[in-house]
Amino acid sequence: QVQLQESGPGLVKPSETLSLTCTVSGYAISSGYYWGWIRQPPGKGLEWIGSMHHRGETYYNPSLRSRVAISVDTSKNQFSLTLSSVTAADTAMYYCARDVPGMDYYYMDVWGKGTTVTVSS
Amino acid sequence: QTVVTQEPSLTVSPGGTVTLTCAFSTGSVTSSFYPNWFQQKPGQAPRPLIYSTSKKHSWTPARFSGSLLGGKAALTLSRVQPEDEAEYYCLLYYGGTRVFGTGTKVTVL
Repeated sequence: QVQLQESGPGLVKPSETLSLTCTVSGYAISSGYYWGWIRQPPGKGLEWIGSMHHRGETYYNPSLRSRVAISVDTSKNQFSLTLSSVTAADTAMYYCARDVPGMDYYYMDVWGKGTTVTVSS
Repeated sequence: QTVVTQEPSLTVSPGGTVTLTCAFSTGSVTSSFYPNWFQQKPGQAPRPLIYSTSKKHSWTPARFSGSLLGGKAALTLSRVQPEDEAEYYCLLYYGGTRVFGTGTKVTVL
């Protein structure tokens, strides 16, 4: 059974960098697929942040591209998110998910439970 | 900026049928967008329901179905149960990026 678990600081100061890690169990990241991050501000909808293939191909939300980076550590079976120059608008629940491409299908089938990040001084 | 729009809210009676739609700001939604649908209940992570327009995950109840309708992706809930009350989000894939819809709050009343 594939499981994802987010971890990282729950509080980040404005203008600093947010860093989160997603630990994958039950599936080796090096076996394939994309691995993505999604966030949800309090009381608002879902926003895709970006997805990265273990071989390095990466796609980012154009509205966040200048501040975001996703990386993969296959030795630890983890992938990470960094978001720089954060503001209160980056306060959200952050989810990681497995992002599966196929010949005639795409889906995000396994999600972590999410981790809350608050940006405040 | 690309926007994917859903109905803000819909109300349905138990046992009834309701259809949610997902519209793309710059044109029609086609199967090439591989529309996905998710259900989210308060305090929970989104739960995948439908992918690639109409395909169901192994855990998706039979009463949920996906389609294309009038240039939009659609999710139909049939024989609605009280536990179907939730927020529903669509997700479109295009050009390597992914965009979530604005979400529809479904109330079972």
